[in-house]
Amino acid sequence: DQQVKQNSPSLSVQEGRISILNCDYTNSMFDYFLWYKKYPAEGPTFLISISSIKDKNEDGRFTVFLNKSAKHLSLHIVPSQPGDSAVYFCAAPKASGTYKYIFGTGTRLKVLA
Amino acid sequence: DTEVTQTPKHLVMGMTNKKSLKCEQHMGHRAMYWYKQKAKKPPELMFVYSYEKLSINESVPSRFSPECPNSSLLNLHLHALQPEDSALYLCASSQAPTGSYEQYFGPGTRLTVT
Repeated sequence: DQQVKQNSPSLSVQEGRISILNCDYTNSMFDYFLWYKKYPAEGPTFLISISSIKDKNEDGRFTVFLNKSAKHLSLHIVPSQPGDSAVYFCAAPKASGTYKYIFGTGTRLKVLA
Repeated sequence: DTEVTQTPKHLVMGMTNKKSLKCEQHMGHRAMYWYKQKAKKPPELMFVYSYEKLSINESVPSRFSPECPNSSLLNLHLHALQPEDSALYLCASSQAPTGSYEQYFGPGTRLTVT
């Protein structure tokens, strides 16, 4: 049972344009979400997070939107840069205050110069 | 310093060998994790240590044996592995759940079992 899903395995975007990566979840008890970026042969790097009390969190070129009623979150990257090419994972702690994180299957973003 | 270090970077071992993976962090984090990641899959949680005590074991076979000698170090002892155990093994750390949830990952150890 995949509780955190990323239905697009890959996405290609032109440099300078917006990249939108999507994530859906099934458990309405999830109250915190994180996005990680992973380059080949490296560990995932934390990008940005959002608490369920918010519907938007912004950090520079990265913005995460949360739609609790749809159980959907998205990561927007504006403007996209070639260095953003990586695999992006969304993740959620399985229950509030636990160490158990559920990761989505990842979306491979390719930003074309 | 937000770095988690892992050694070795690559490891090739036979099915009868005994080896260990090592992980270190100096961020004062009290939770440390081992994950296994296969190609094109998300990281899968194996073990969690909280305040140097094992708090989560995700039904991992006993041929994987974790150890947390102190708050900065985490080891994964390997014995009698199978070829299907070949994967990228990631270590991570984080603050306690009442604080920030972000996990900081090391670069991983690429393990090949022959």
